Amino acid sequence: GPKVLQIPSHQIIDMGQMVTLNCDPVSNHLYFYWYKQILGQQMEFLVNFYNGKVMEKSKLFKDQFSVERPDGSYFTLKIQPTALEDSAVYFCASSLEAGRANERLFFGHGTKLSVL
Amino acid sequence: QQQVRQSPQSLTVWEGETAILNCSYEDSTFDYFPWYHQFPGESPALLIAIRPVSNKKEDGRFTIFFNKREKKFSLHIADSQPGDSATYFCAASHLGTGSNRLTFGKGTKFSLIP
Repeated sequence: GPKVLQIPSHQIIDMGQMVTLNCDPVSNHLYFYWYKQILGQQMEFLVNFYNGKVMEKSKLFKDQFSVERPDGSYFTLKIQPTALEDSAVYFCASSLEAGRANERLFFGHGTKLSVL
Repeated sequence: QQQVRQSPQSLTVWEGETAILNCSYEDSTFDYFPWYHQFPGESPALLIAIRPVSNKKEDGRFTIFFNKREKKFSLHIADSQPGDSATYFCAASHLGTGSNRLTFGKGTKFSLIP
């Protein structure tokens, strides 16, 4: 079936550094999402992105976070600078549409970010 | 405040039994309730979903029961099979607003007694 690829699977960085998480969404999908999951907690919505713009973001999407998808390449989440509380697994997802029942989100395997 | 609560945290049943996973929610304006499952080493994937116009949705061995008044919904897995072992996440969203923003529960780790 359709796959969402996330690169890398694990990233270790020092606090204060910049990090970019990469997502290769399903090829014909138009809506893109990032979710954050701290160990033992639920996945929490960060942001969704459509037509080059942020459509919705949660309070977890701090000023240090940004997303983009230049020229149909990777959908990226950039954190600059990173903080210790950014350590989590970040899931990328994509969907063809939004707001339709049974419109499934296709998730990647996640990128585990460890901020030291 | 956790908007979608899920229980139990883990569940183990005998093969062939019916497993029941429970969720409740706070926001009465949620109007779409999917269940996702995640097998070890895999990404979460949509299993089944329901809208509040129905109180039951069935797909093979998987059934969602929905109680709007009590703001609860549950996933029943009939005739549990070893291949059902996974973590199951309930979620909720405001589909009517055109949003696919999902609020997830913490997950139930489901397995069968070997």
